[in-house]
Amino acid sequence: QKEVEQNSGPLSVPEGAIASLNCTYSDRGSQSFFWYRQYSGKSPELIMSIYSNGDKEDGRFTAQLNKASQYVSLLIRDSQPSDSATYLCAVKLSGGSNYKLTFGKGTLLTVNP
Amino acid sequence: GAVVSQHPSWVICKSGTSVKIECRSLDFQATTMFWYRQFPKQSLMLMATSNEGSKATYEQGVEKDKFLINHASLTLSTLTVTSAHPEDSSFYICSARSSGNRYEQYFGPGTRLTVT
Repeated sequence: QKEVEQNSGPLSVPEGAIASLNCTYSDRGSQSFFWYRQYSGKSPELIMSIYSNGDKEDGRFTAQLNKASQYVSLLIRDSQPSDSATYLCAVKLSGGSNYKLTFGKGTLLTVNP
Repeated sequence: GAVVSQHPSWVICKSGTSVKIECRSLDFQATTMFWYRQFPKQSLMLMATSNEGSKATYEQGVEKDKFLINHASLTLSTLTVTSAHPEDSSFYICSARSSGNRYEQYFGPGTRLTVT
């Protein structure tokens, strides 16, 4: 089982709709979770972090965490064409003495005008 | 805040030569820096983790003698690709985290390396 899994997509939504991006992780002891956005040809950009069960909202973005189900999601409300990018889920797995994050392979989101 | 720069943004070099890439945290002290490589349409691959003043920890399969990493200060890490080959052509991205128990990584803009 892969440590951090995401549907590769592409996920296609119309402009103005809600885009829902999902991520599951295998390490039950994980405590820190992040969503990054990566435009084609660019480096990743941190958009959300979440540490506690429940929802965390920041503008049009909402991160949702369910540790019991080992599931973290990102909702993008009122999707815009400029949201078209690859979204990477990253998890700090428990154990170990380093600070590295484990990334999923990313979900490609396309928002159609 | 949390701005990371990289230099150069792109570089072309001849096979057999060495190339140095710099990564700087501009507005925070980076206790840990990371180096990633990304081939077209593929996912991020962590190459190594470096802590200021310590030797880098390389991921399995990454040649430490080929990819030299130096993290000499809390704001600067360098990656040197030695004896570059065309298969080393890739997008190299650094990231940095600040001190304490926070795990957020802030990425630099990346360096596109082409080896001819």
